[in-house]
Amino acid sequence: NAGVTQTPKFRVLKTGQSMTLLCAQDMNHEYMYWYRQDPGMGLRLIHYSVGEGTTAKGEVPDGYNVSRLKKQNFLLGLESAAPSQTSVYFCASDGGYEQYFGPGTRLTVT
Amino acid sequence: QKEVEQDPGPLSVPEGAIVSLNCTYSNSAFQYFMWYRQYSRKGPELLMYTYSSGNKEDGRFTAQVDKSSKYISLFIRDSQPSDSATYLCATDIRYSGGGADGLTFGKGTHLIIQP
Repeated sequence: NAGVTQTPKFRVLKTGQSMTLLCAQDMNHEYMYWYRQDPGMGLRLIHYSVGEGTTAKGEVPDGYNVSRLKKQNFLLGLESAAPSQTSVYFCASDGGYEQYFGPGTRLTVT
Repeated sequence: QKEVEQDPGPLSVPEGAIVSLNCTYSNSAFQYFMWYRQYSRKGPELLMYTYSSGNKEDGRFTAQVDKSSKYISLFIRDSQPSDSATYLCATDIRYSGGGADGLTFGKGTHLIIQP
């Protein structure tokens, strides 16, 4: 039982490049979330999903897209990366009353 | 408006002291209150969650919620150097069947336990 895993752990992008972050959970949770964490800002919700095939916007969705084609996976895409998207990205899943977080992806956009 | 306020610290205390960490929130609709611990360069780890006003204890940790004053606290007894981390309070509004549309976090308090 690996819990919540994230791929990749680190990435450096140039402005304008695209990439996809993968989150996987093996707990059969319905709810999944993407957050970003920036110094002095805390964790902020980007997008979330309440079940397979569904997605919804969070607090800071601009510049990101998501997909939940399979229940266990939640993908976060950056179509055209900007330096303002330099951050640590955390995925979480929720089985009803507790959210469990992955180890994070550290992204730098130059 | 969703908002949770938390003093970022750092808070430095000697080993063995009782630590008090606090948050305030503004939205009376918030129902569940959590405390997460985050070590440097790691993901947040759920410590405790509470639903109602009052205290909940788990070993050296006690979570306290006062909904009338919109105040949540975490107490750590007999603090250890291994407790040094950032502590994040969080809250949400739960769906009737469980789950939520995302947590609202405080900015986190950086705690240092001096040996």
